Amino acid sequence: LAKTTQPISMDSYEGQEVNITCSHNNIATNDYITWYQQFPSQGPRFIIQGYKTKVTNEVASLFIPADRKSSTLSLPRVSLSDTAVYYCLVVFNAGNMLTFGGGTRLMVKP
Amino acid sequence: EPEVTQTPSHQVTQMGQEVILRCVPISNHLYFYWYRQILGQKVEFLVSFYNNEISEKSEIFDDQFSVERPDGSNFTLKIRSTKLEDSAMYFCASGRGSGAINEQFFGPGTRLTVL
Repeated sequence: LAKTTQPISMDSYEGQEVNITCSHNNIATNDYITWYQQFPSQGPRFIIQGYKTKVTNEVASLFIPADRKSSTLSLPRVSLSDTAVYYCLVVFNAGNMLTFGGGTRLMVKP
Repeated sequence: EPEVTQTPSHQVTQMGQEVILRCVPISNHLYFYWYRQILGQKVEFLVSFYNNEISEKSEIFDDQFSVERPDGSNFTLKIRSTKLEDSAMYFCASGRGSGAINEQFFGPGTRLTVL
C-alpha cells in the first residue's frame, strides 16, 4: 500500500486559494488518489478522486502530474467553514478499505 | 440525499461489558465498513463486509469484535468484552464498491466511552 505524506498543518485566510500537496512515491498502476475532509466529531467526507491530470468538481480541483508521485488538492476561495482536516489517500480498488494518515489540519482565519 | 445513520450517538459502558453499535447504511450500497478514531488520533480501519461476509479486517479487529447484517438494512458492530482502550469514535461507512469512483459515505459516528 502506497504511503502518503502531507503537511501536518496549514493556515489560510478567507477568500484565498489553498493548495495542499501530498506525496505518494510508491503509488501503483491501479491506485487512485482520493481526498477526504473531516470536521471535528464528524465522519470523513469524500471530496474528490482522480487517477491522472486534473479533476474538478463543485468543491475542489485535484492536480496529478504525469508521474503520479504527488497530487495537489486545490480549494478555491476558502471560507471559515473549510477549517477541517484534509486526508490524502491512495486507494487500490473500489470497495477496498481506506487507510488514513495524519492528514493536514487547515485553519482558515478571518 | 441518502445518508448513513448510526445509533446511539454516545454509549457509556463499564469495562468487560458487551456493546452493540448500530448502523443503517445507504440502501443500494453493497460494501459496509467500520472504522474507529481514538481521540486526537487518525481514523483506523477495522473491518469491511461484502456479500454477507467479512472481506477484510485489520489487526485491531480481534476475537472480541464481530459484525453482522441481521436484516436487509442494519449493520452492527459488537464488542464482547470492552476494554478501556476501546474508547473511541466508531464510524460506519458504506459504498457502492464499483465504478470509477470509490467513495465511502461515513455516518456521524458513535462515541464509545469505556469506564
